[in-house]
Amino acid sequence: ETGVTQSPTHLIKTRGQQVTLRCSSQSGHNTVSWYQQALGQGPQFIFQYYREEENGRGNFPPRFSGLQFPNYSSELNVNALELDDSALYLCASSTGGGAGRETQYFGPGTRLLVL
Amino acid sequence: AQSVTQLDSQVPVFEEAPVELRCNYSSSVSVYLFWYVQYPNQGLQLLLKYLSGSTLVKGINGFEAEFNKSQTSFHLRKPSVHISDTAEYFCAVSFNNAGNMLTFGGGTRLMVKP
Repeated sequence: ETGVTQSPTHLIKTRGQQVTLRCSSQSGHNTVSWYQQALGQGPQFIFQYYREEENGRGNFPPRFSGLQFPNYSSELNVNALELDDSALYLCASSTGGGAGRETQYFGPGTRLLVL
Repeated sequence: AQSVTQLDSQVPVFEEAPVELRCNYSSSVSVYLFWYVQYPNQGLQLLLKYLSGSTLVKGINGFEAEFNKSQTSFHLRKPSVHISDTAEYFCAVSFNNAGNMLTFGGGTRLMVKP
């Protein structure tokens, strides 16, 4: 196990609602990245936070937003949920402020189902 | 734009047989390469990574991969698979000029049969 934890493990929401997913990074890691993994596909990068600032963003709309706290834990918020938001959401932590050579350590994920 | 292609969506193989999972990438800049494994209902676990130096990289659980810059490939191999290797395998790249955002391939499901 990597030491990265996520909550909740599963979540069911209805279209139009808002959701908050949480991630605790591995001890000593100051960088958190979020990925969306649709069924049968590879993960897609949503955004990354380094020392409480957004440090990079993938091709996701503004209704996907995040926070990083002083203890380096993080939240992913999704507003106005759509059916296509149903996916496994993965959090990954690392050191080095997002340098490309750094290994990312993944949590077990939160599975979100939007009805 | 950078991209990663895993050429086989599924690879069935008998136990104790060798296996190769293929990965090709496209990029105009230097890359770092990773292989992750995902067991059912779990997150991703790092198998191995290539940063620089020797093009043959050894990882956990007996896996190895070879970086081929001219063919822009990073194929994963294991000489003898076990039932417990049944899982989804993802190839990923990151780029030194883009933080450590990982770009993943679509995955290859390795199915080891007795």
